[in-house]
Amino acid sequence: DTGVSQDPRHKITKRGQNVTFRCDPISEHNRLYWYRQTLGQGPEFLTYFQNEAQLEKSRLLSDRFSAERPKGSFSTLEIQRTEQGDSAMYLCASSLAGGGEKLFFGSGTQLSVL
Amino acid sequence: KQEVTQIPAALSVPEGENLVLNCSFTDSAIYNLQWFRQDPGKGLTSLLLIQSSQREQTSGRLNASLDKSSGRSTLYIAASQPGDSATYLCAVRPQGGSQGNLIFGKGTKLSVKP
Repeated sequence: DTGVSQDPRHKITKRGQNVTFRCDPISEHNRLYWYRQTLGQGPEFLTYFQNEAQLEKSRLLSDRFSAERPKGSFSTLEIQRTEQGDSAMYLCASSLAGGGEKLFFGSGTQLSVL
Repeated sequence: KQEVTQIPAALSVPEGENLVLNCSFTDSAIYNLQWFRQDPGKGLTSLLLIQSSQREQTSGRLNASLDKSSGRSTLYIAASQPGDSATYLCAVRPQGGSQGNLIFGKGTKLSVKP
């Protein structure tokens, strides 16, 4: 399957711990996005990469959050010193520049901070 | 600040009915509007994308319309089936915004009863 894959699917951690999520986009897609979704809400934009360059960050992305996309392929999202309010589904999406604007989403990583 | 509202929050219909889901947005300066489907615990699947210059898009039993001046979009589902049960999300890309910086509504949870 050549869809967007995210790992892990679920993560349970204790408050104060660091966590890292991985996203592998569709192979030919040069754009990659991270979103966060809490229960009963729509996804909220966090950040966006074109190739390896991080071009936009939401103000939701506090200093405890960092995202990378080395070599313009997979991406990682790290949350340091997790807080209970970080509990959410973290969604990754990818698209092809000039490819009609449709975003292709992964199944997400569900984070629970105890 | 752009806000997206979806009404109703939940809808239950018998199989075979035609139905309409509503989406409204506060700022008509949009680049495009997308309708997504989300199954429980899963990512989003793009259903239809309407550019700001278009009035509607169709795919199979789905038809989406856009009235930018009034800040409204509708998703029409014909001959509903139990497999259509999911949460449907509407998202706008503000004019001047990046491709992935979408503003989502909270969704309409649809249940189609056999």
